[in-house]
Amino acid sequence: NAGVTQTPKFQVLKTGQSMTLQCAQDMNHNSMYWYRQDPGMGLRLIYYSASEGTTDKGEVPNGYNVSRLNKREFSLRLESAAPSQTSVYFCASSGALDERDYEQYFGPGTRLTVT
Amino acid sequence: DQQVKQNSPSLSVQEGRISILNCDYTNSMFDYFLWYKKYPAEGPTFLISISSIKDKNEDGRFTVFLNKSAKHLSLHIVPSQPGDSAVYFCAATIYTGTASKLTFGTGTRLQVTL
Repeated sequence: NAGVTQTPKFQVLKTGQSMTLQCAQDMNHNSMYWYRQDPGMGLRLIYYSASEGTTDKGEVPNGYNVSRLNKREFSLRLESAAPSQTSVYFCASSGALDERDYEQYFGPGTRLTVT
Repeated sequence: DQQVKQNSPSLSVQEGRISILNCDYTNSMFDYFLWYKKYPAEGPTFLISISSIKDKNEDGRFTVFLNKSAKHLSLHIVPSQPGDSAVYFCAATIYTGTASKLTFGTGTRLQVTL
């Protein structure tokens, strides 16, 4: 039982390049989330998916797209990376069928640097 | 507009003493509050939570207190241990009916000294 896994762990991009961050969970959770963490700013919600086939914007969605590929997987895409997107990205999941959706379980993070 | 605030960026406490971490919020619609603990190079891990209809929740060495009238919550750790040294995030959520969107504070770095 791996929980929430994220790939890659580290990535360096040049401005304008694109990439996809992958996230998978094996807890049969309905909801999945993408956050970014910047120094002194806590974690901010980028996008979330309440269930398979649905996605919604969070607090800071500009410059990102997401895909809920199936119940297990939720990917985050940067189409044209900018230095302002240098951050640590966390994926999280919550909400098994028999529990309320409050507690979120986080992956280990992807540290992204855009030069 | 920061809806969840942790005004102390850092706190240092001696081993065995009580650690008190504070959090203030502005949105009265929040229905659940959570504390997460984060070690360097790891994701946050859930620690303890409290519903907005309660004023206290206890789990071993950890107790969370909620004062709704003051829009304030606190996390007490007794006794503090060196392994508690980490960054602690306060978070609040509003359940949308399909998912809970967490709003995080900026974190407090706790250092437990010997």
